[in-house]
Amino acid sequence: AQSVTQPDIHITVSEGASLELRCNYSYGATPYLFWYVQSPGQGLQLLLKYFSGDTLVQGIKGFEAEFKRSQSSFNLRKPSVHWSDAAEYFCAVGARASGTYKYIFGTGTRLKVLA
Amino acid sequence: DAGVIQSPRHEVTEMGQEVTLRCKPISGHDYLFWYRQTMMRGLELLIYFNNNVPIDDSGMPEDRFSAKMPNASFSTLKIQPSEPRDSAVYFCASRLGQLNSPLHFGNGTRLTVT
Repeated sequence: AQSVTQPDIHITVSEGASLELRCNYSYGATPYLFWYVQSPGQGLQLLLKYFSGDTLVQGIKGFEAEFKRSQSSFNLRKPSVHWSDAAEYFCAVGARASGTYKYIFGTGTRLKVLA
Repeated sequence: DAGVIQSPRHEVTEMGQEVTLRCKPISGHDYLFWYRQTMMRGLELLIYFNNNVPIDDSGMPEDRFSAKMPNASFSTLKIQPSEPRDSAVYFCASRLGQLNSPLHFGNGTRLTVT
């Protein structure tokens, strides 16, 4: 069955430090992969997406993610975190499941940024 | 572009009452999704529509939940009767085209059933 795993529920980093949020997926074919960010009281906003081609994709707000087929991973990275990056981050897979196409979301990683 | 608009932002109701959540998708988007978010279960897909037609409602938890999309610019999610365990944030999202297009989310409706 299709699934998305975000193994880190909470992550705390200092402002200016680098960041990597992990995402692993389970899907038989090449999936469509997304990272979304949710600020408190807001809906989810798309950071970046991967469909095919270059496995390193750039997104908004200085984020990037790398698709690694051999590891079934799509980790999100940022070289220098800003205090405004504190939010919850969701990895999602777009996949065919039970005869229909749907998005499967991970459980999210809450990022805290220390000043 | 006004984005996906949901109303109300907050709803507090008593157990047994009917609750109706509303959503206006982005103009021109042909897919509309209803999600529920809780701490315990994360983000769950309840139902989605394509061109106003329900495609997959397998995530609707019980018969107490129903959703309609009478036209391309409006959808409702109704809970009747409501129960405390329905307390959650309900999101509406819309999308243009197929799976490789991103979802655009509204700001959600926080429902509290006492």
